[in-house]
Amino acid sequence: ETGVTQSPTHLIKTRGQQVTLRCSSQSGHNTVSWYQQALGQGPQFIFQYYREEENGRGNFPPRFSGLQFPNYSSELNVNALELDDSALYLCASSFSLLRDNTGELFFGEGSRLTVL
Amino acid sequence: AQSVTQLDSHVSVSEGTPVLLRCNYSSSYSPSLFWYVQHPNKGLQLLLKYTSAATLVKGINGFEAEFKKSETSFHLTKPSAHMSDAAEYFCVVSSYSGAGSYQLTFGKGTKLSVIP
Repeated sequence: ETGVTQSPTHLIKTRGQQVTLRCSSQSGHNTVSWYQQALGQGPQFIFQYYREEENGRGNFPPRFSGLQFPNYSSELNVNALELDDSALYLCASSFSLLRDNTGELFFGEGSRLTVL
Repeated sequence: AQSVTQLDSHVSVSEGTPVLLRCNYSSSYSPSLFWYVQHPNKGLQLLLKYTSAATLVKGINGFEAEFKKSETSFHLTKPSAHMSDAAEYFCVVSSYSGAGSYQLTFGKGTKLSVIP
Protein backbone atom coordinates (compact mmCIF):
# COMPACT_ATOMS: atom_id res chain seq x y z
CA GLU A 1 0.00 0.00 0.00
CA THR A 2 1.47 3.34 -1.08
CA GLY A 3 1.20 6.17 1.42
CA VAL A 4 0.62 9.86 0.79
CA THR A 5 3.51 11.46 -1.08
CA GLN A 6 4.18 15.16 -1.54
CA SER A 7 6.52 17.18 -3.74
CA PRO A 8 8.66 19.13 -3.55
CA THR A 9 9.87 18.54 0.00
CA HIS A 10 11.48 21.96 0.30
CA LEU A 11 11.33 25.12 -1.77
CA ILE A 12 12.20 28.79 -1.53
CA LYS A 13 10.24 31.56 -3.21
CA THR A 14 10.21 35.33 -3.08
CA ARG A 15 7.30 37.55 -2.11
CA GLY A 16 4.79 38.01 -4.94
CA GLN A 17 5.66 34.77 -6.71
CA GLN A 18 3.36 31.81 -7.22
CA VAL A 19 3.87 28.23 -6.06
CA THR A 20 2.35 24.84 -6.85
CA LEU A 21 2.59 21.93 -4.42
CA ARG A 22 1.66 18.39 -5.38
CA CYS A 23 0.20 15.42 -3.56
CA SER A 24 -0.48 11.80 -4.44
CA SER A 25 -3.11 10.28 -2.20
CA GLN A 26 -2.83 6.91 -0.53
CA SER A 27 -3.95 4.00 -2.67
CA GLY A 28 -7.72 3.57 -2.50
CA HIS A 29 -8.36 7.05 -1.11
CA ASN A 30 -10.50 9.53 -3.02
CA THR A 31 -10.60 12.57 -0.72
CA VAL A 32 -7.71 15.00 -0.26
CA SER A 33 -7.29 17.77 2.30
CA TRP A 34 -4.59 20.43 2.64
CA TYR A 35 -3.32 21.93 5.87
CA GLN A 36 -0.90 24.76 6.64
CA GLN A 37 1.39 24.37 9.65
CA ALA A 38 3.26 27.50 10.64
CA LEU A 39 6.35 27.14 12.80
CA GLY A 40 5.38 26.22 16.37
CA GLN A 41 1.69 25.90 15.56
CA GLY A 42 -0.78 23.13 14.89
CA PRO A 43 -1.92 22.50 11.32
CA GLN A 44 -4.78 24.64 10.02
CA PHE A 45 -7.34 23.41 7.50
CA ILE A 46 -7.09 25.05 4.07
CA PHE A 47 -9.56 23.05 1.97
CA GLN A 48 -10.71 19.59 0.94
CA TYR A 49 -11.43 17.99 -2.42
CA TYR A 50 -13.78 15.10 -3.18
CA ARG A 51 -14.62 13.92 -6.69
CA GLU A 52 -12.54 16.75 -8.15
CA GLU A 53 -14.55 19.46 -6.42
CA GLU A 54 -13.80 21.58 -3.39
CA ASN A 55 -16.28 20.59 -0.67
CA GLY A 56 -14.90 22.35 2.39
CA ARG A 57 -12.71 25.37 3.04
CA GLY A 58 -11.06 26.94 6.05
CA ASN A 59 -10.32 30.60 6.68
CA PHE A 60 -7.87 31.15 3.82
CA PRO A 61 -8.05 33.83 1.08
CA PRO A 62 -8.89 33.00 -2.56
CA ARG A 63 -5.24 33.20 -3.58
CA PHE A 64 -5.05 29.71 -2.06
CA SER A 65 -6.58 27.40 -4.65
CA GLY A 66 -6.45 23.75 -5.54
CA LEU A 67 -7.24 20.99 -7.95
CA GLN A 68 -8.00 17.31 -7.70
CA PHE A 69 -7.39 15.07 -10.70
CA PRO A 70 -9.26 11.93 -11.84
CA ASN A 71 -6.56 9.76 -10.24
CA TYR A 72 -7.30 11.58 -6.93
CA SER A 73 -3.93 13.34 -6.84
CA SER A 74 -4.08 17.01 -5.96
CA GLU A 75 -2.35 20.36 -6.28
CA LEU A 76 -2.26 23.36 -3.97
CA ASN A 77 -1.58 26.68 -5.66
CA VAL A 78 -0.73 29.87 -3.84
CA ASN A 79 -0.57 33.17 -5.73
CA ALA A 80 1.01 36.46 -4.70
CA LEU A 81 3.08 34.87 -1.98
CA GLU A 82 3.46 36.72 1.31
CA LEU A 83 6.09 36.28 3.99
CA ASP A 84 3.46 34.75 6.32
CA ASP A 85 2.87 31.96 3.81
CA SER A 86 6.13 30.41 4.97
CA ALA A 87 5.05 27.11 6.52
CA LEU A 88 4.88 23.35 6.21
CA TYR A 89 2.05 22.39 3.88
CA LEU A 90 0.55 19.01 4.64
CA CYS A 91 -1.59 16.92 2.38
CA ALA A 92 -3.89 14.26 3.82
CA SER A 93 -6.07 11.65 2.18
CA SER A 94 -8.98 9.46 3.19
CA PHE A 95 -11.61 7.24 1.64
CA SER A 96 -15.06 8.60 0.83
CA LEU A 97 -15.89 10.54 3.95
CA LEU A 98 -19.53 9.98 3.15
CA ARG A 99 -19.04 6.45 4.45
CA ASP A 100 -16.57 7.27 7.21
CA ASN A 101 -18.04 9.10 10.18
CA THR A 102 -14.76 9.65 12.00
CA GLY A 103 -12.75 12.00 9.81
CA GLU A 104 -9.49 10.06 10.23
CA LEU A 105 -6.87 11.31 7.78
CA PHE A 106 -3.56 9.93 6.52
CA PHE A 107 -0.86 12.57 6.15
CA GLY A 108 2.15 13.02 3.90
CA GLU A 109 5.45 14.40 5.20
CA GLY A 110 4.76 17.85 3.86
CA SER A 111 6.29 20.51 1.65
CA ARG A 112 8.24 23.17 3.49
CA LEU A 113 7.82 26.55 1.81
CA THR A 114 10.04 29.50 2.65
CA VAL A 115 9.06 32.93 1.32
CA LEU A 116 11.80 35.57 1.30
CA ALA B 1 -17.77 25.78 16.43
CA GLN B 2 -15.21 23.44 17.87
CA SER B 3 -11.88 24.11 19.51
CA VAL B 4 -9.05 22.26 21.19
CA THR B 5 -6.82 23.42 24.04
CA GLN B 6 -3.64 21.59 24.86
CA LEU B 7 -2.80 22.67 28.36
CA ASP B 8 0.97 22.24 28.16
CA SER B 9 3.19 23.44 25.35
CA HIS B 10 6.13 21.39 26.62
CA VAL B 11 6.32 18.31 28.86
CA SER B 12 9.56 16.73 30.01
CA VAL B 13 9.73 13.27 31.60
CA SER B 14 12.44 10.80 32.48
CA GLU B 15 12.68 7.57 30.54
CA GLY B 16 10.57 4.88 32.22
CA THR B 17 8.23 7.31 34.00
CA PRO B 18 4.57 7.94 33.11
CA VAL B 19 3.49 10.41 30.44
CA LEU B 20 0.42 12.67 30.70
CA LEU B 21 -0.46 15.10 27.91
CA ARG B 22 -3.59 17.12 28.62
CA CYS B 23 -6.28 18.15 26.16
CA ASN B 24 -9.63 19.88 26.56
CA TYR B 25 -12.08 20.29 23.71
CA SER B 26 -15.14 22.28 22.88
CA SER B 27 -17.76 20.95 20.49
CA SER B 28 -21.45 21.54 19.96
CA TYR B 29 -22.18 17.82 19.61
CA SER B 30 -20.56 14.44 20.21
CA PRO B 31 -17.16 14.80 18.59
CA SER B 32 -14.65 12.43 17.12
CA LEU B 33 -11.33 13.01 18.83
CA PHE B 34 -7.82 12.02 17.83
CA TRP B 35 -4.25 12.21 18.98
CA TYR B 36 -1.62 12.55 16.28
CA VAL B 37 2.16 12.47 16.73
CA GLN B 38 4.72 14.31 14.63
CA HIS B 39 8.39 13.40 14.76
CA PRO B 40 10.92 15.99 13.54
CA ASN B 41 10.72 16.54 9.79
CA LYS B 42 8.01 13.92 9.47
CA GLY B 43 4.32 13.92 8.70
CA LEU B 44 1.55 13.30 11.20
CA GLN B 45 0.84 9.77 12.40
CA LEU B 46 -2.41 8.73 14.07
CA LEU B 47 -1.89 7.46 17.63
CA LEU B 48 -5.50 6.75 18.54
CA LYS B 49 -9.07 7.88 17.97
CA TYR B 50 -12.33 8.16 19.90
CA THR B 51 -15.55 7.76 17.93
CA SER B 52 -18.30 7.41 20.58
CA ALA B 53 -17.59 3.78 21.42
CA ALA B 54 -15.54 2.86 24.53
CA THR B 55 -14.42 5.90 26.49
CA LEU B 56 -10.97 4.40 27.16
CA VAL B 57 -9.16 4.20 23.85
CA LYS B 58 -5.98 2.23 23.26
CA GLY B 59 -3.57 3.32 20.57
CA ILE B 60 -0.22 2.39 19.14
CA ASN B 61 3.05 2.23 21.07
CA GLY B 62 1.34 1.78 24.44
CA PHE B 63 -0.55 5.09 24.44
CA GLU B 64 -4.08 5.42 25.82
CA ALA B 65 -6.61 8.24 26.12
CA GLU B 66 -9.79 8.57 28.12
CA PHE B 67 -12.78 10.53 26.87
CA LYS B 68 -14.51 12.34 29.75
CA LYS B 69 -17.59 14.15 28.53
CA SER B 70 -18.33 15.81 31.90
CA GLU B 71 -14.86 17.36 31.89
CA THR B 72 -14.64 17.82 28.09
CA SER B 73 -11.22 16.24 28.28
CA PHE B 74 -9.28 13.70 26.23
CA HIS B 75 -5.93 13.33 27.99
CA LEU B 76 -3.20 11.10 26.53
CA THR B 77 -1.24 8.76 28.81
CA LYS B 78 1.48 6.16 28.67
CA PRO B 79 2.70 4.15 31.67
CA SER B 80 6.39 4.25 30.80
CA ALA B 81 8.11 6.73 28.48
CA HIS B 82 10.65 5.60 25.91
CA MET B 83 13.29 7.73 24.23
CA SER B 84 11.54 7.19 20.90
CA ASP B 85 8.40 8.91 22.27
CA ALA B 86 10.11 12.32 22.06
CA ALA B 87 8.01 14.22 19.50
CA GLU B 88 5.22 16.78 19.09
CA TYR B 89 1.73 15.57 19.99
CA PHE B 90 -1.49 17.09 18.67
CA CYS B 91 -4.99 16.69 20.06
CA VAL B 92 -7.56 16.97 17.29
CA VAL B 93 -11.35 17.26 17.05
CA SER B 94 -13.21 16.32 13.89
CA SER B 95 -16.40 17.98 12.84
CA TYR B 96 -18.76 17.41 9.95
CA SER B 97 -19.07 20.54 7.84
CA GLY B 98 -21.61 19.28 5.32
CA ALA B 99 -21.56 17.72 1.84
CA GLY B 100 -19.41 14.83 3.01
CA SER B 101 -16.74 17.18 4.31
CA TYR B 102 -14.96 16.80 7.62
CA GLN B 103 -12.69 19.43 9.10
CA LEU B 104 -10.01 18.65 11.65
CA THR B 105 -9.25 21.30 14.26
CA PHE B 106 -5.82 20.89 15.82
CA GLY B 107 -4.52 22.02 19.16
CA LYS B 108 -1.27 23.96 19.21
CA GLY B 109 0.68 20.87 20.18
CA THR B 110 2.65 19.58 23.14
CA LYS B 111 6.33 18.89 22.72
CA LEU B 112 7.36 15.82 24.70
CA SER B 113 10.97 15.53 25.77
CA VAL B 114 12.28 12.29 27.28
CA ILE B 115 15.35 12.50 29.50
CA PRO B 116 17.63 9.45 29.58
